[in-house]
Amino acid sequence: QSALTQPASVSGSPGQSITISCTGTNSDIGGYDYVSWYQHLPGMAPRLIIFEVTNRPSGLSGRFSGSKSGNTASLTISGLQPEDEGDYYCGSYGSGTTWVFGGGTKLTVL
Amino acid sequence: QVYVHESGPRLVRPSDTLSLTCKVSVDSFKSYYWSWIRLSPGKGLEWIGYIYHTGSSKCNPSLKNRVTISIDTSRSQLSLALSSVTGTDTAVYYCARGPRGTYGEAMDHWGQGIQVTV
Repeated sequence: QSALTQPASVSGSPGQSITISCTGTNSDIGGYDYVSWYQHLPGMAPRLIIFEVTNRPSGLSGRFSGSKSGNTASLTISGLQPEDEGDYYCGSYGSGTTWVFGGGTKLTVL
Repeated sequence: QVYVHESGPRLVRPSDTLSLTCKVSVDSFKSYYWSWIRLSPGKGLEWIGYIYHTGSSKCNPSLKNRVTISIDTSRSQLSLALSSVTGTDTAVYYCARGPRGTYGEAMDHWGQGIQVTV
C-alpha cells in the first residue's frame, strides 16, 4: 500500500483536460510545499514534470500544471495528446526526512 | 546531459542480499544527492534512501536495517545492498538524482531502472 493515494486510472480525449489527485496527510502533502509529479511513459525513465507543487522544470510544456489544497495535490494536463499516455506518480517530502510516493495513475488517451 | 545507469543481478534468492550499482555520468556528481527508489506491482513507488558524496546517507525507516547505500566518488557511482530479501522485494529498482538538487526536494533525473526478481 502506497503512502499517497492516487486513482488507479483516468482517461480523456485528445484536446481535453484531465486532473489526477494525490491524497496524503498533514505529515507529508499537508505539511510541506514539496509535492512533485513524475511521468512514466512505456519504455522510458520516469521524468520530473512538476516540483514544489506548482513549478515546471525548464523546457517542460505549459500543458502540465500542479496545485494543492490541504492534504491533496492535483496534476492537470490540458490539451491532451496521444503521447501523454502513460503512468503518473505523485511524490512528497515527509516528516522525519523521508520521501513518499503514490501508487500511480494510468492515463489513457482515448 | 545526465546519464544514470543501474546494473546488477536480475535474479536473487530469498534470504540473500540484493546488490545493485548505479553509474552516473555527470561532471557535478559530487554536487548532488543520489537516491534509490523502487517500483513494485500494485504498490507504486517507494523511496529506499539517499546518499551524498560525503557518505552521509539516510534510508527509509520502513526497510528497517536491511539497507546499505554506499558511494564511490572516484568512479561516480553508488551502490545499494538490501539484505534478507523476500518476494515483496521484487521490483524495478531506480537510481535518481535528488533530493535537494536543482529542483528542490524532487528527483530530477532517473535511470531506466533494473527489474529484480526474488
